[in-house]
This record gives sequence, structure tokens and C-alpha cells, in this order.
Amino acid sequence: GAVVSQHPSRVICKSGTSVKIECRSLDFQATTMFWYRQFPKQSLMLMATSNEGSKATYEQGVEKDKFLINHASLTLSTLTVTSAHPEDSSFYICSVGTDHTEAFFGQGTRLTVV
Amino acid sequence: QKEVEQNSGPLSVPEGAIASLNCTYSDRGSQSFFWYRQYSGKSPELIMFIYSNGDKEDGRFTAQLNKASQYVSLLIRDSQPSDSATYLCAVNINPPGGGADGLTFGKGTHLIIQP
Repeated sequence: GAVVSQHPSRVICKSGTSVKIECRSLDFQATTMFWYRQFPKQSLMLMATSNEGSKATYEQGVEKDKFLINHASLTLSTLTVTSAHPEDSSFYICSVGTDHTEAFFGQGTRLTVV
Repeated sequence: QKEVEQNSGPLSVPEGAIASLNCTYSDRGSQSFFWYRQYSGKSPELIMFIYSNGDKEDGRFTAQLNKASQYVSLLIRDSQPSDSATYLCAVNINPPGGGADGLTFGKGTHLIIQP
């Protein structure tokens, strides 16, 4: 498997501000990381695939200019929610891409936009 | 559109009984199947995976897969209050070793174990 650390675990921000979430792979050099979003009582929805050294691949309906992803090293990917609004309030979870078919998740970040 | 369907529950089971959780999936090409447990406010943790038709047992947990019926289930024996959580079914179109980029998750079943 892989050990994944995500930070912060919880953040509250004002509407219109930006928030950065970090996802670190602690024991695996990850060329790929995945960012998911989960609304209450809903399934995890893949937002984007983060690729080390290149542009992220976004799922249909996810605004790439709003959810900025940077994967500058093999151990760190960041997701920045720009100009956050209350509808962006959600649980954001990252996972590390390995050869395994299962996801190895970080602890998740609860974002609340007020 | 790939879909994974689960009954949202809540499913209430007495302590010590068997909890049975079910999942169906739409993509007949799915090759890898997973059950995750998610406590409120936490990220999902992997309980079991299964790749082949039939049963797979791990401690109190048994995963069952029927590819012909596109159905996967999870049985929890001797249910404990600590098993109370939301159980997510996930399927992947990739075979073992093929990576996690093909994962699709269900909405989960909320399980309550009554003491």
C-alpha cells in the first residue's frame, strides 16, 4: 500500500478567498495522485488526476480554473480552491496512484466556506 | 455512464448478528471490486478486495462476487457496535496491477449495529 498524509484536516474560510490543500505520499513516489470530492450522503466523485510534472486531467464538469492542481514533486500534490463559495463546501480527499487497483486515501479535508 | 448502486439504508442489525451489504454495478467490464468503511467525518478505509467470482473471507468479513449478475456483497459476522459506519462499494475496470484510475464508488450503505 501507500501512506498518504493530507493537510489541513479541517478549514473554514470566507467566501471569495482561496484555500490550499496538501496531499503528501510518505512512503511512495507517486507520479499520479487523485483528488475526490464527497458531498454529504453522496459517493466519492473523482475531480481530477494529478500528474507529476505535467498538467492535471480534470473530470467533466470540474472547473480547472477554480480547482488548481499542482504536482511539482513525486511526494506532494496540492489542490487550491480559488474564490471559494459556500457551494464548494465539501469533503476533499486525495489518494495516491499506484499499480494497485484500490485507492490509498489521505485523511481528508473538510472545507466550510462561510 | 458507470454506476455503482447501493441501498443507502440505514440498515439496522442487532449486535452479534450477521450484517449483509449489497452492491450492483453497471459496467460489465469491471474487474476489481472493493469494500471500504467510512466513519463519519473520516476518509474511507479499505476492508476487502475481491477479483474472482465466489467468496473471499477475512476474519469476520466475507466478500462475495457474482460477475454474471454484476453483484458484489459484504457479510459481517458477529457484528459489533464499532462496525457502525457507512460502507462504500467500489469497482474498477482495471485488472489487478492496472492502477486506481478506473475506480467508481457507490453512495454507501449506512450500517447501525444495535447493542
